[in-house]
Amino acid sequence: GAGVSQSPSNKVTEKGKDVELRCDPISGHTALYWYRQSLGQGLEFLIYFQGNSAPDKSGLPSDRFSAERTGGSVSTLTIQRTQQEDSAVYLCASSPHAHRIAAKNIQYFGAGTRLSVL
Amino acid sequence: AQSVTQPDIHITVSEGASLELRCNYSYGATPYLFWYVQSPGQGLQLLLKYFSGDTLVQGIKGFEAEFKRSQSSFNLRKPSVHWSDAAEYFCAVGGKDSNYQLIWGAGTKLIIKP
Repeated sequence: GAGVSQSPSNKVTEKGKDVELRCDPISGHTALYWYRQSLGQGLEFLIYFQGNSAPDKSGLPSDRFSAERTGGSVSTLTIQRTQQEDSAVYLCASSPHAHRIAAKNIQYFGAGTRLSVL
Repeated sequence: AQSVTQPDIHITVSEGASLELRCNYSYGATPYLFWYVQSPGQGLQLLLKYFSGDTLVQGIKGFEAEFKRSQSSFNLRKPSVHWSDAAEYFCAVGGKDSNYQLIWGAGTKLIIKP
């Protein structure tokens, strides 16, 4: 596809249920990021995948959150036993190549998944 | 601690007027600075970035930003706004101190008056 694709665009779930959010990055992009955007807040870094390297999971808020990236392409963010405070927009971004200084990677964002936990 | 402050939650300007969005950061190491724009229901799009060199950087859509190290600021400017500029604008900083991840401001929502 032309851009980063995220699905679903909206997800409503009940407290305690598990959810999976999907991100399909731009073809050929080696780096992939997940962020959480709460209402009125900036973006909160969750996890960063770079090629075949071990992911940087330093932003995951609890062990209920996990993510994987299969075949260096599609990524899934899983939230187990969802809580109301998990309600937010979850954004995925990808970068075309791995600059050795990750902060210089220009990130291309998907439209996000809006998660509502009732 | 690393942080980015965008002091204005909302800004309203008339179409055709000039615009300045403020961004202040707290960061120990050499900062890499970004401005992104998010239109409603869309992801974020890079407007411009500063890594080094000339402190006045030009971006897309007629935007520019100036890095002022002494003031720890990276303000975004546009000489004449268009209705299509209505969106949310995010400033971000990254570098060694944040393990090269970006620290984001809370955003400024720009409203354009006709």
